[in-house]
Amino acid sequence: DQQVKQNSPSLSVQEGRISILNCDYTNSMFDYFLWYKKYPAEGPTFLISISSIKDKNEDGRFTVFLNKSAKHLSLHIVPSQPGDSAVYFCAASEVDYKLSFGAGTTVTVRA
Amino acid sequence: DVKVTQSSRYLVKRTGEKVFLECVQDMDHENMFWYRQDPGLGLRLIYFSYDVKMKEKGDIPEGYSVSREKKERFSLILESASTNQTSMYLCASSFDSNQPQHFGDGTRLSIL
Repeated sequence: DQQVKQNSPSLSVQEGRISILNCDYTNSMFDYFLWYKKYPAEGPTFLISISSIKDKNEDGRFTVFLNKSAKHLSLHIVPSQPGDSAVYFCAASEVDYKLSFGAGTTVTVRA
Repeated sequence: DVKVTQSSRYLVKRTGEKVFLECVQDMDHENMFWYRQDPGLGLRLIYFSYDVKMKEKGDIPEGYSVSREKKERFSLILESASTNQTSMYLCASSFDSNQPQHFGDGTRLSIL
């Protein structure tokens, strides 16, 4: 039973526009949330994180929003670039070491 | 930069074989993890370790075991490989809880 869900398997966006990736979770004990990016034949690389005491965290072109009441997380990429084409995984953890991952969203940035 | 190295990128084994996947990290991280990645399922945690000689089951430990004799090395063992263990295996490490995990490039394991 997946506790973290990414309901959109894919997203196509034009270069320069905004990419919005969504993630829902069911476990109210999650207190730390992360986004990872994965290229083919490489391991996931950490992108950005947010703790449950915040509702927004920004790092350059990447912003993560957390809505605890809705148990919803989103990642905004502005502006989208061709190098952003990858699979994006949402992940969450309680106060232990274990991460629960979503199934991933494949982003394609069109020129 | 954190470096997590998995010993093989691709591996082909036969059913019933005992298979060892090795992982080494160079950042003195306390915690190490083994995941498998399958299409439509994301990454699922098999086992993790928060100290030398310590291990904890993840979400799908059946058919696997692990060994952590040294802090920098975490091994995943398939006791008797089966075809449903064909997958991408990813190792990760982290300094502490609520710190990002850093991943290796994965081992694509095929069991024939």
